[in-house]
Amino acid sequence: EAQVTQNPRYLITVTGKKLTVTCSQNMNHEYMSWYRQDPGLGLRQIYYSMNVEVTDKGDVPEGYKVSRKEKRNFPLILESPSPNQTSLYFCASSLSGDYGYTFGSGTRLTVV
Amino acid sequence: SQQGEEDPQALSIQEGENATMNCSYKTSINNLQWYRQNSGRGLVHLILIRSNEREKHSGRLRVTLDTSKKSSSLLITASRAADTASYFCATPDRGSTLGRLYFGRGTQLTVWP
Repeated sequence: EAQVTQNPRYLITVTGKKLTVTCSQNMNHEYMSWYRQDPGLGLRQIYYSMNVEVTDKGDVPEGYKVSRKEKRNFPLILESPSPNQTSLYFCASSLSGDYGYTFGSGTRLTVV
Repeated sequence: SQQGEEDPQALSIQEGENATMNCSYKTSINNLQWYRQNSGRGLVHLILIRSNEREKHSGRLRVTLDTSKKSSSLLITASRAADTASYFCATPDRGSTLGRLYFGRGTQLTVWP
């Protein structure tokens, strides 16, 4: 089944403890992207990637890192999480920017 | 910002009625995309309309695009309770080779049985 898989689905962590949210797609898509969704603010793009080793910042990149070493994987790294990074995170992939995106099921992160 | 804005923010209708949502955006686009999100779940891509298209259909969905007014509309005909969800429009940034994708804040549609 064609899908974007994010893990974990839920995560509670403490301030400052490094964490990684994984994202993997099995559709051979070039484009991948991370979003956070907060009430009243909609979806905001964190980082995106248009191919292996090609990444760029979105609207809210501060406090996040990404890497794209393989086409299928696009992990999101929070080196030192803070409470304002508590949010619902989505990974998405697309064949190219001229096609729709397939979204993962989301990761609900709470930083205390 | 290129961010699209949906209108209305919330829409409540009875089953069988049509639902129309609008999206306005600010700069030139290559395409405009519509997504649905059921509460707390991942977004589902509904339809993409390219800048050289004026109308597109997919099942009970009809999307129009007016590039002169920088606006789009999504019409859901004969709504069902299962259509209850948030609907978002999204536009890619041409300057970023379409990698940047801007979402509006969405329209919350409630369809009552």
